[in-house]
Amino acid sequence: GENVEQHPSTLSVQEGDSAVIKCTYSDSASNYFPWYKQELGKRPQLIIDIRSNVGEKKDQRIAVTLNKTAKHFSLHITETQPEDSAVYFCAARLETGGFKTIFGAGTRLFVKA
Amino acid sequence: DAGITQSPRHKVTETGTPVTLRCHQTENHRYMYWYRQDPGHGLRLIHYSYGVKDTDKGEVSDGYSVSRSKTEDFLLTLESATSSQTSVYFCAISEQGTDTQYFGPGTRLTVL
Repeated sequence: GENVEQHPSTLSVQEGDSAVIKCTYSDSASNYFPWYKQELGKRPQLIIDIRSNVGEKKDQRIAVTLNKTAKHFSLHITETQPEDSAVYFCAARLETGGFKTIFGAGTRLFVKA
Repeated sequence: DAGITQSPRHKVTETGTPVTLRCHQTENHRYMYWYRQDPGHGLRLIHYSYGVKDTDKGEVSDGYSVSRSKTEDFLLTLESATSSQTSVYFCAISEQGTDTQYFGPGTRLTVL
């Protein structure tokens, strides 16, 4: 079935360093890729998304890249800050079978001050 | 946050009892979703709705049923709760199937 794999499961960086989280998806019909941030005890919140007709998108310190040929996409956070510490989820939406969104298992990011 | 509420926010119940979780939205969005979140699994889709009385199954629908009699309410029912259904349940909404999903605050369910 459809699958999204996310790596690493845990990532620890020093404040000011960059963090990269990678995801691969299995269904080539996917064409929308959101990233969510979830702080402890809170709801997932969208931080950035990308559609398949775009290779890269940036929003301040956050960027997402997409390689449709390889079926993988990545989240890049530059100049990390302690408040970036959270769990990050990637997802891929299928454009067949009712627009279902499949999530990765999540990456717990720790930013050390 | 989008106008989404979930009730109850916390519930403890016993194996074999029925449980109903409610998701309520004030955004008049057409699509509503129920997910469960478990460590190591991310968010998994249980059921979703694409309009009043229109629902379909997700990845992990066994043991769950849903109903949507009004645009603003989407109910998730566990007919006979089991310990494997202990989880955090999130509702989400989107205006269309192709749009971004926004999540509710979640319901923590414990089945003893």
